Amino acid sequence: ILNVEQSPQSLHVQEGDSTNFTCSFPSSNFYALHWYRWETAKSPEALFVMTLNGDEKKKGRISATLNTKEGYSYLYIKGSQPEDSATYLCAFIHNDYKLSFGAGTTVTVRA
Amino acid sequence: EAQVTQNPRYLITVTGKKLTVTCSQNMNHEYMSWYRQDPGLGLRQIYYSMNVEVTDKGDVPEGYKVSRKEKRNFPLILESPSPNQTSLYFCASSLYNRGHTDTQYFGPGTRLTVL
Repeated sequence: ILNVEQSPQSLHVQEGDSTNFTCSFPSSNFYALHWYRWETAKSPEALFVMTLNGDEKKKGRISATLNTKEGYSYLYIKGSQPEDSATYLCAFIHNDYKLSFGAGTTVTVRA
Repeated sequence: EAQVTQNPRYLITVTGKKLTVTCSQNMNHEYMSWYRQDPGLGLRQIYYSMNVEVTDKGDVPEGYKVSRKEKRNFPLILESPSPNQTSLYFCASSLYNRGHTDTQYFGPGTRLTVL
């Protein structure tokens, strides 16, 4: 099992504030990194696929960066809204196509 | 509508009684996968399939079987369920069988309780 860690495990954000959290993964044999958003009682939904060192992806108020050399990715939420409350999962894909998910960061946005 | 479906959504069973959780996708995806999700742990991959008749073990395959006789279906079989298989199960699919540069589409989940 590949060691993929997400921190913090949970965080609370005031509506309108921005926040970010981390996905750490092995820096060797990197192939790709996925970010998913998982709302309670729903299925995980894809946010980003990142493959190149230095990649930056954006979707609305959510963006992500990737550093494959040091083995981390940041997810940013700008101007958090209550609908951003969810668990955010990252999945690391090894270059032999093995896949491992982190345990997730649960974001709660307080109105 | 493009989707991944799973059945049943909820199941309570007893130890040792064989069960099958079905998974079907209508997107002509090559890659399909089963995960289990337990509190405090990430999604852990049970089995995956890169194409018809091709299946491989994930990180936690013990106690599970799968088959991929058709492209659209990927059932998960528990021959003799045990209480430690109580979990939330997700099926997922993606377009290509290699590369993982395609994101996965997840089914709605199956909550299984083994007494």
